[in-house]
Amino acid sequence: EPEVTQTPSHQVTQMGQEVILRCVPISNHLYFYWYRQILGQKVEFLVSFYNNEISEKSEIFDDQFSVERPDGSNFTLKIRSTKLEDSAMYFCASRYTTGSVTEAFFGQGTRLTVV
Amino acid sequence: GNSVTQMEGPVTLSEEAFLTINCTYTATGYPSLFWYVQYPGEGLQLLLKATKADDKGSNKGFEATYRKETTSFHLEKGSVQVSDSAVYFCALSALLSGGSYIPTFGRGTSLIVHP
Repeated sequence: EPEVTQTPSHQVTQMGQEVILRCVPISNHLYFYWYRQILGQKVEFLVSFYNNEISEKSEIFDDQFSVERPDGSNFTLKIRSTKLEDSAMYFCASRYTTGSVTEAFFGQGTRLTVV
Repeated sequence: GNSVTQMEGPVTLSEEAFLTINCTYTATGYPSLFWYVQYPGEGLQLLLKATKADDKGSNKGFEATYRKETTSFHLEKGSVQVSDSAVYFCALSALLSGGSYIPTFGRGTSLIVHP
């Protein structure tokens, strides 16, 4: 069964460092998302991406964050200068269409720990 | 804006007990509703969905009915098993002001089932 894969599963980084989280969406999907979940809190939308550009972003997704689809398969989230409060589980998701009825498929997440 | 409210956890039950996890929502237009499950150490998996009022989604003994009049989508299971221990997320997909559909999640409810 096709699945979304994320790497690494766990990343520890020092405050101020840049990190890149990687995702391989399902191959025929067109819409891509990043979400984050701070421990014990809700899953929060960060950004959506379609046709090689950002289609929606939340207020969390400030200038520290960027996304890219550098080739036909990978979808990356970059955090330029990490802060302690960026520690969270980051989930990548993809969908075939953007209609309301279509569910998103999620990866297993990358746990980011900023120390 | 769109939002999802779930009951606080953890919910602790004995095996074979009846489960209800409450979920209510606020959304513009006609959202689709979803339940996702997150098993320990894993990503978010779609459990069930309903795309219009009075639809019942069901899977693995779980079910939820889309109630437009009460804006609710409560998750139920008649007899839980230890293997159902996980975090359950209620979610909706509805039109945003930017013209796209972004899945919006609740905080998640942890279910612990004891033998």
